[in-house]
Amino acid sequence: AQTVTQSQPEMSVQEAETVTLSCTYDTSESDYYLFWYKQPPSRQMILVIRQEAYKQQNATENRFSVNFQKAAKSFSLKISDSQLGDAAMYFCAYRSAYNAGNMLTFGGGTRLMVKP
Amino acid sequence: DVKVTQSSRYLVKRTGEKVFLECVQDMDHENMFWYRQDPGLGLRLIYFSYDVKMKEKGDIPEGYSVSREKKERFSLILESASTNQTSMYLCASSPTPILNQPQHFGDGTRLSIL
Repeated sequence: AQTVTQSQPEMSVQEAETVTLSCTYDTSESDYYLFWYKQPPSRQMILVIRQEAYKQQNATENRFSVNFQKAAKSFSLKISDSQLGDAAMYFCAYRSAYNAGNMLTFGGGTRLMVKP
Repeated sequence: DVKVTQSSRYLVKRTGEKVFLECVQDMDHENMFWYRQDPGLGLRLIYFSYDVKMKEKGDIPEGYSVSREKKERFSLILESASTNQTSMYLCASSPTPILNQPQHFGDGTRLSIL
């Protein structure tokens, strides 16, 4: 079974600065997808960014980018120019490409605080 | 936009009660999921369904059952609620994996069992 680990329960960043959230995973599969989800205090989980394992290029979505290191099984999220609205719980998630049910395995989450 | 609606934001029940959590999605998605969210543990999959009347156990199905009689609705049932089932419950839906689309989540139900 796959596992996902987020080693930072809490992080804080100054507004306009850059912060990196860590995620490692364990799998024996070669084809899979990785996701970062954001859960603001209002609680609806939304997708931030995703990465296909077969792609070498790191995904980028505006101020959000990932550092995907397949050999190291690492998938960190970088948030540039942090804004107050970035304060939330962030979850890293894994999905097998061989999974017929589209199931996700989540990490424990990182609470990000943004200081004005 | 996909909308996943959970019937209650907050729910308080007593030990031993039968509890129903309802979830409805409006995008004709094949797959629906129930997770529970606990601090430090992230989200853990309870059950999922890939079609009407079809269900599969997730990682922590004990003490729960599900029902999917219509494509848009997926119900989570606590047969006899216990205090260790106090948690946040999240419903999600997604289309068939062939489309490689992400899951969409509801707002969650914070359930307290007294």
